[in-house]
Amino acid sequence: AQKVTQAQTEISVVEKEDVTLDCVYETRDTTYYLFWYKQPPSGELVFLIRRNSFDEQNEISGRYSWNFQKSTSSFNFTITASQVVDSAVYFCALSDTGNQFYFGTGTSLTVIP
Amino acid sequence: EAQVTQNPRYLITVTGKKLTVTCSQNMNHEYMSWYRQDPGLGLRQIYYSMNVEVTDKGDVPEGYKVSRKEKRNFPLILESPSPNQTSLYFCASSLSRGGYGYTFGSGTRLTVV
Repeated sequence: AQKVTQAQTEISVVEKEDVTLDCVYETRDTTYYLFWYKQPPSGELVFLIRRNSFDEQNEISGRYSWNFQKSTSSFNFTITASQVVDSAVYFCALSDTGNQFYFGTGTSLTVIP
Repeated sequence: EAQVTQNPRYLITVTGKKLTVTCSQNMNHEYMSWYRQDPGLGLRQIYYSMNVEVTDKGDVPEGYKVSRKEKRNFPLILESPSPNQTSLYFCASSLSRGGYGYTFGSGTRLTVV
């Protein structure tokens, strides 16, 4: 069965520190998609990135980077030089070739000024 | 602007009083879905729809109804709300099933007393 695990429930870092949010997934499908969403204190869900199972290239977007490793079924998210505005709950999600999205339980990140 | 519009943003109601949360998208997306978010449980899918007149149960459908009479609208109906349906609800749409990722509405915070 498909499953997404975000073992880190809460993380606190001091501003300008780097922080990595872990995501481990389970699926039997060979074709699948992985996502990260951000939920700031205002409550909306903001799409950050999408990665398909055939593309293991790491991606960097500004201070954000993602490390996808099929060998360990992980799709980790790193924020470099964290800022207070990065404080949010971050969700990792898996989508298979069916109709379902599977979300992790989220990691609450607090960046302390 | 491409968006998913949910109404209302906040709702307090009493047990047993029927209510409807509306959801509309302007992106001509085929796939729409409802989620509820509860602390420690992440996002759980209630119902989804792959197209007009096609709906199916997600992980937690009990106590909810949906309809998809038009492509753009996907209302969530609580016929007889109970306190355990107090939650944050999100409507989401996607171009198709699987790997396109969701666009989420702003959320509806429902309290049933």
